[in-house]
Amino acid sequence: GQSLEQPSEVTAVEGAIVQINCTYQTSGFYGLSWYQQHDGGAPTFLSYNALDGLEETGRFSSFLSRSDSYGYLLLQELQMKDSASYFCALDTGRRALTFGSGTRLQVQP
Amino acid sequence: NAGVTQTPKFRVLKTGQSMTLLCAQDMNHEYMYWYRQDPGMGLRLIHYSVGEGTTAKGEVPDGYNVSRLKKQNFLLGLESAAPSQTSVYFCASTPPPTGLGISGNTIYFGEGSWLTVV
Repeated sequence: GQSLEQPSEVTAVEGAIVQINCTYQTSGFYGLSWYQQHDGGAPTFLSYNALDGLEETGRFSSFLSRSDSYGYLLLQELQMKDSASYFCALDTGRRALTFGSGTRLQVQP
Repeated sequence: NAGVTQTPKFRVLKTGQSMTLLCAQDMNHEYMYWYRQDPGMGLRLIHYSVGEGTTAKGEVPDGYNVSRLKKQNFLLGLESAAPSQTSVYFCASTPPPTGLGISGNTIYFGEGSWLTVV
């Protein structure tokens, strides 16, 4: 099976940079995804790393190291609207995802 | 463009009742999924389909059945609801993998269906 671990909560101030880490155990996967979810809302796609290294999309970047079974999501220039839960998820084939338990990010003014 | 639409949005069931959740997507996607999310947890895959007429089990399939009779629709059935099935249910869809580009890897989620079994 697969398992993913993320910190349960992270707090940061507006304008700052925050990194949310994700470690995983798996027998095989195609990629690591990140999703954002506001309270009461649907998950929305942020990024997908199929290969080791850094992927950048606007204020968000995601990193994957297969040799370390580790990834992270980097959020820059934090805004109040970034307060949400963030989930890492392993693509185990056919885009079927195994999710971590999520990290609740609180952005303070 | 509606995207992924789930029906109903809210439902209260009595233990032992049956119901069907409908997911409809208008993006001509091949792959569709049903997940459940319990409070404070990540989503868990129930069943998925990689094309019309196909279904496969996910991580937590027990107590659920699915059907994909039409490409645009993916139905999730509860034959005999139990309190343990109280959850938020999310449907999702995506095109088949097309490579390493982001557009081939985006999964689109519906707004969720809140189900309470009493």
